[in-house]
Amino acid sequence: GENVEQHPSTLSVQEGDSAVIKCTYSDSASNYFPWYKQELGKRPQLIIDIRSNVGEKKDQRIAVTLNKTAKHFSLHITETQPEDSAVYFCAAQDPPTGSARQLTFGSGTQLTVLP
Amino acid sequence: GAVVSQHPSWVICKSGTSVKIECRSLDFQATTMFWYRQFPKQSLMLMATSNEGSKATYEQGVEKDKFLINHASLTLSTLTVTSAHPEDSSFYICSARDLETSGGAEQFFGPGTRLTVL
Repeated sequence: GENVEQHPSTLSVQEGDSAVIKCTYSDSASNYFPWYKQELGKRPQLIIDIRSNVGEKKDQRIAVTLNKTAKHFSLHITETQPEDSAVYFCAAQDPPTGSARQLTFGSGTQLTVLP
Repeated sequence: GAVVSQHPSWVICKSGTSVKIECRSLDFQATTMFWYRQFPKQSLMLMATSNEGSKATYEQGVEKDKFLINHASLTLSTLTVTSAHPEDSSFYICSARDLETSGGAEQFFGPGTRLTVL
């Protein structure tokens, strides 16, 4: 099955600096890679996603890059703000070939933005 | 659109009792729903995939007789934790796929249910 590794487990940055979180996946057939932000006791919220036919996607201060050859993808947050502080999870989805298209999550990154 | 609700949001029960958690897709039909368990400071671990009208598919290590899943309609899946014990205390989250949105790639998550077993 799919295995997703995420680094770092904790990340502290000064307000206004950039934050980068990296993930690797094992199944080359995975084709959808979402990133979630989860605040304590709340549901995961999708913040950005990328499909395997795209190398980069950007939405305001958030961007995701995907390297299919190396099987890794990264989340970039620029101009960080204290409200960006949360746990971030990457995930990889099974390909749509008769499977339920399950998500496999990374272990999470606790991002703290220091004011 | 694509809203998923869960009930209850939290529950406290005594050891040995059973607890039922409901997951509903409010504005779309979900042929497939997923149940996750999340322990403190850990990631979401998939427990089972719930398929409308058929038996759930459980992940390795998840006891199907302990975690009963029923997906009787296109908008409702239930998870029953039978004979709950303190080690079952966790945050249980469901999700559902909406085939009309992003081709069904995106999963929409419920708000979660905090289960505490005394």
